[in-house]
Amino acid sequence: DQQVKQNSPSLSVQEGRISILNCDYTNSMFDYFLWYKKYPAEGPTFLISISSIKDKNEDGRFTVFLNKSAKHLSLHIVPSQPGDSAVYFCAASAGGGSEKLVFGKGMKLTVNP
Amino acid sequence: DGGITQSPKYLFRKEGQNVTLSCEQNLNHDAMYWYRQDPGQGLRLIYYSQIVNDFQKGDIAEGYSVSREKKESFPLTVTSAQKNPTAFYLCASTSGRETQYFGPGTRLLVL
Repeated sequence: DQQVKQNSPSLSVQEGRISILNCDYTNSMFDYFLWYKKYPAEGPTFLISISSIKDKNEDGRFTVFLNKSAKHLSLHIVPSQPGDSAVYFCAASAGGGSEKLVFGKGMKLTVNP
Repeated sequence: DGGITQSPKYLFRKEGQNVTLSCEQNLNHDAMYWYRQDPGQGLRLIYYSQIVNDFQKGDIAEGYSVSREKKESFPLTVTSAQKNPTAFYLCASTSGRETQYFGPGTRLLVL
């Protein structure tokens, strides 16, 4: 039973436009959410996180939105750059920290020049 | 500088052989994790350890074993009981209140 779902396996956008990556979760105990970026044959790198007490967190070009009632979060990248092309994983945990993360299957983002 | 190292980058296993993947961190993190990534799949938790000399099974622990004798080290052994070991293995660590940091990964291939 998948608790964190990234239903779209891939997304292709034009450089300079907005990329919107979506993530849904089923476990109402999740209270901390993270996005990771992963290049092939490398470990994931942390991008941005959000606690359930917030509905938005922004860091430069990256913004994460959380809709608790819908159990949905999204990552917005504006403007998208070719270097953003990677696989993005959504992850969630219960307990306010990152000690036990549950990951989605990932979404491959391609930003075309 | 601080980080997580995994070795080797590539590892080949013969049928019936046990192999051990190394993970070392100098971030002074208490918790360490092993994940497996298969194509089109997310990261699945194999084992984790929240403190030295203690560890717990994750979602897919069968065919794997770990030890945590030192805070800095969390080696993973892929035993011959693991029938489909070909995957990308990732080690991570965290202090708990911040993100998990990942190593560069080890790709395990079966000969």
